[in-house]
Amino acid sequence: EDKVVQSPLSLVVHEGDTVTLNCSYEVTNFRSLLWYKQEKKAPTFLFMLTSSGIEKKSGRLSSILDKKELFSILNITATQTGDSAIYLCAVIQSINTGTASKLTFGTGTRLQVTL
Amino acid sequence: DTEVTQTPKHLVMGMTNKKSLKCEQHMGHRAMYWYKQKAKKPPELMFVYSYEKLSINESVPSRFSPECPNSSLLNLHLHALQPEDSALYLCASSPFPWGGGYTFGSGTRLTVV
Repeated sequence: EDKVVQSPLSLVVHEGDTVTLNCSYEVTNFRSLLWYKQEKKAPTFLFMLTSSGIEKKSGRLSSILDKKELFSILNITATQTGDSAIYLCAVIQSINTGTASKLTFGTGTRLQVTL
Repeated sequence: DTEVTQTPKHLVMGMTNKKSLKCEQHMGHRAMYWYKQKAKKPPELMFVYSYEKLSINESVPSRFSPECPNSSLLNLHLHALQPEDSALYLCASSPFPWGGGYTFGSGTRLTVV
């Protein structure tokens, strides 16, 4: 059975802290791993990772994928209250002999940044 | 245009009603998806359309009926829903059926009474 597992489930930190969110996966026909931030409505795209060991950065956020150990991490440095959200990891799986794909989400990590 | 637009944003319907959710994108994406998200849970896949053809139906009850009239438009027809179908319904699209970055719409919050 395909699994995408995130840890921790919930995290409370102080503004300015650095956090690391984890995502491990066991899926068939892996193509890519995505990170999303979800506040009240739709998930907003953060990163897409396809190759192992290449760090992607956007401001205070960075992420890396390890395809050998089947996991990814999302780092947020100098956290701000605006970073409070649910962070979702999702895996793109190829299906129907590669003619289609589907996105399977992890359980999410709820991050709360306090003053 | 880099958005996926969903209408309506909110919908309240009775168990005997028929309603439709609409999703539109003009990014030239060739795959479109419906997801259902219950409170405090991650989105769950319902349907996948690739090149306007249904590729995946994740064993969704027949009271949900998807339709893809053209490459920019995706509908979800609702009939005889149950209160437990109340959820946030998210539409997404991706450039290619085999992957690429998924873009999500802002969702329709559905309440079945």
